[in-house]
Amino acid sequence: AQKVTQAQTEISVVEKEDVTLDCVYETRDTTYYLFWYKQPPSGELVFLIRRNSFDEQNEISGRYSWNFQKSTSSFNFTITASQVVDSAVYFCALRYDYKLSFGAGTTVTVRA
Amino acid sequence: GAGVSQTPSNKVTEKGKYVELRCDPISGHTALYWYRQSLGQGPEFLIYFQGTGAADDSGLPNDRFFAVRPEGSVSTLKIQRTERGDSAVYLCASSKQGGQSYGYTFGSGTRLTVV
Repeated sequence: AQKVTQAQTEISVVEKEDVTLDCVYETRDTTYYLFWYKQPPSGELVFLIRRNSFDEQNEISGRYSWNFQKSTSSFNFTITASQVVDSAVYFCALRYDYKLSFGAGTTVTVRA
Repeated sequence: GAGVSQTPSNKVTEKGKYVELRCDPISGHTALYWYRQSLGQGPEFLIYFQGTGAADDSGLPNDRFFAVRPEGSVSTLKIQRTERGDSAVYLCASSKQGGQSYGYTFGSGTRLTVV
């Protein structure tokens, strides 16, 4: 079965704090893709990153970084020095065939 | 167009009525997907089109739901005899091919409320 678990329902931080979002996945495929999306209050899903199963290098993009560990089936996401504009719902997703299986999402609230 | 366009952005309908939700994908994207997002949940797959044909409709919850893409571009999701449980945000996404190596671009969704 293809499954994504985001155990954290809500996280609230004060601006400039770091925040880490957990994502654990299950798949029987040896080749797969993992994604993170941001959903601001306006509703659209904004693509953040795609990672394939053969590339375990961690990635950093500005204040965002991702830690992919196949050994623990985790693909965690860290926002460094959070800002109010980071407030949104964040989804981790696993692609199998051509479909995306999403986690339930983590709501991040950054307070000024 | 520059992005995936969905209309209407909001739709309120009475229980038992028929509704149509429209998705206009990015020009040149052959793959089109519909997802449904209930309150507090992640999006769930409904149907996938490759060109004009529905390659996978396994996510449609029942036969009240139907989708078409007659010319391989715009798609319409149709819901008959709407029920209150159909209330959700319906998201459309498109990609260049099947999305395996390409990203998906999502629209802003249609928020359907059945009263």
